Amino acid sequence: DIQMTQSPSSVSASVGDRVTITCQASQGISSWLAWYQQKPGKAPKLLIYAASSLQSGVPSRFSGSGSGTDFTLTISSLQPEDFATYYCQQANSFPYSFGQGTKLEIK
Amino acid sequence: QVQLQESGPGLVKPSQTLSLTCTVSGGSISSGSYYWSWIRQPAGKGLEWIGRIYTSGSTNYNPSLKSRVTISVDTSKNQFSLKLSSVTAADTAVYYCARATVRGNWFDPWGQGTLVTVSS
Repeated sequence: DIQMTQSPSSVSASVGDRVTITCQASQGISSWLAWYQQKPGKAPKLLIYAASSLQSGVPSRFSGSGSGTDFTLTISSLQPEDFATYYCQQANSFPYSFGQGTKLEIK
Repeated sequence: QVQLQESGPGLVKPSQTLSLTCTVSGGSISSGSYYWSWIRQPAGKGLEWIGRIYTSGSTNYNPSLKSRVTISVDTSKNQFSLKLSSVTAADTAVYYCARATVRGNWFDPWGQGTLVTVSS
């Protein structure tokens, strides 16, 4: 099975800050990676797919990069609605797996 | 716009079978372009993919749950279902249904989720 490791587990930041979250796969997954945002009591929402493609309707301040085993999600200028938990997911092979999550908190 | 909605009992006794249904609206589950998945999340924890089904009935399951999981589809009702047998407290979680494209395997959209508690 492919293990997905996110870092950091939590981060505090202010509105307007630039934030980067990393995700490492235990083996190469090419660009088969997605990023999700989850707010309390809600289902995850797809932000980025194929490592760097922005899902329709998602603000352009979100971006993704990477391939192989190392990936990043960047939020260029934090907005109040961005404070949430973020998950990466590998879509390369069964069983599909998620990172443990990164909680983005207000400083 | 496709929407998914989970339904089923919120409380299941230990050793019994958990049964949930996901109803798809705004689109046909018979579309050949999508897989239909179940994903769960224990309170305060991360996400675990349970398995998926294609409109043909072809399935793939997480090996960690494979011996206890059955996913089925009813195209006439535009629904797919999850059965998880021999449940324990460790199966207490919010259960989500979600759609993924056959080309991408990323999940969008998701249902709102339903909490299933395993307790006597």
